[in-house]
Amino acid sequence: AQSVTQLDSQVPVFEEAPVELRCNYSSSVSVYLFWYVQYPNQGLQLLLKYLSGSTLVESINGFEAEFNKSQTSFHLRKPSVHISDTAEYFCAVSERSSASKIIFGSGTRLSIRP
Amino acid sequence: GAVVSQHPSWVICKSGTSVKIECRSLDFQATTMFWYRQFPKQSLMLMATSNEGSKATYEQGVEKDKFLINHASLTLSTLTVTSAHPEDSSFYICSATGRSNQPQHFGDGTRLSIL
Repeated sequence: AQSVTQLDSQVPVFEEAPVELRCNYSSSVSVYLFWYVQYPNQGLQLLLKYLSGSTLVESINGFEAEFNKSQTSFHLRKPSVHISDTAEYFCAVSERSSASKIIFGSGTRLSIRP
Repeated sequence: GAVVSQHPSWVICKSGTSVKIECRSLDFQATTMFWYRQFPKQSLMLMATSNEGSKATYEQGVEKDKFLINHASLTLSTLTVTSAHPEDSSFYICSATGRSNQPQHFGDGTRLSIL
């Protein structure tokens, strides 16, 4: 079985500051890793994913995450945040052999202060 | 990109009534659909997995008779909350995938409030 840990339930940062949202996972098999973003009263949007290949993956809006197998981490980073990045961010994992079933972390609320 | 439509987005009803939530894949055939429940300020909890034309597989602790799932076509799955009570109030989100190795595409969710 897999599990995902997001240690920070809330991360407040000032606009244009860098941010890192931490994610650690546990699994006895190879996995796919995801970051999803949820804006208020909306469903989830896929932000980025790691399936294979380069361990550094990027999104179109400036976020990036790096898969670190030795540390079983998939931290999300952005060098300069904007007010519009205020949202809930969920790290998630699925088995490669059963890629459909996704296990979500508890989420991190990112709040941006002007 | 792939689009999943969920309807209604918000529903308020009296205790004891049944509520049906629809999840449609608009531009792809969804062989598998998932139903999640999300309590305020919490993560998504998988309730059940449904494959087109077969019975849904429910996660442990989810009442099959309470949450009826139907996946009769490759573009539509429905979740019916039967005899809803205030404790069933929650945010319900569906997702769909075309193949087992493809990412899930999520609907915008349905906020259910039982009075």
